[in-house]
Amino acid sequence: GNSVTQMEGPVTLSEEAFLTINCTYTATGYPSLFWYVQYPGEGLQLLLKATKADDKGSNKGFEATYRKETTSFHLEKGSVQVSDSAVYFCARLTSGTYKYIFGTGTRLKVLA
Amino acid sequence: DAGVIQSPRHEVTEMGQEVTLRCKPISGHDYLFWYRQTMMRGLELLIYFNNNVPIDDSGMPEDRFSAKMPNASFSTLKIQPSEPRDSAVYFCASSLAQGLHNEQFFGPGTRLTVL
Repeated sequence: GNSVTQMEGPVTLSEEAFLTINCTYTATGYPSLFWYVQYPGEGLQLLLKATKADDKGSNKGFEATYRKETTSFHLEKGSVQVSDSAVYFCARLTSGTYKYIFGTGTRLKVLA
Repeated sequence: DAGVIQSPRHEVTEMGQEVTLRCKPISGHDYLFWYRQTMMRGLELLIYFNNNVPIDDSGMPEDRFSAKMPNASFSTLKIQPSEPRDSAVYFCASSLAQGLHNEQFFGPGTRLTVL
């Protein structure tokens, strides 16, 4: 079936450390892939997206590349800040519908 | 634009009571989504509307839950009667149909506690 699997948290890093949050998907066809971020007490907001294989989404220093061969869309950032502390959700858009399938979320905590 | 507006932000009620959550989507958006977020189950899509018409309600947990969208600027999610297991954060989101790669804009959520 169609699903999204992301690494369990929490992930705790020191400021300026390198971040990777893994995300893999199963799907028929070629879904669009997204990373959403949820800051404390707020709703989710789009961080970046990629709509086809080999596309790289980027925003605010975060990047993710759509890898069809490994069905992955891992989120990376070279140097995290305390303000990046949040929950990150990987998501895919089911082909032919407007239904997102979200991963379970990964909580990131960045220490000063 | 003020973004997606939800009310109330917090609701505490007793088991058996009726609960109504409200949402005002971003003006001009033609898709509206209701989600539920819990620690155990993560983020679940309950129902979504297109042009005020429910398209997919397969995520609505049971008959105690109902959702309406009487016009393009207002939607409600009602739980009657409420149960403690309904305690969660309920999010409303809206989007604009322009192909299949659309961002959903989320409201701040309503934190529901059923005692």
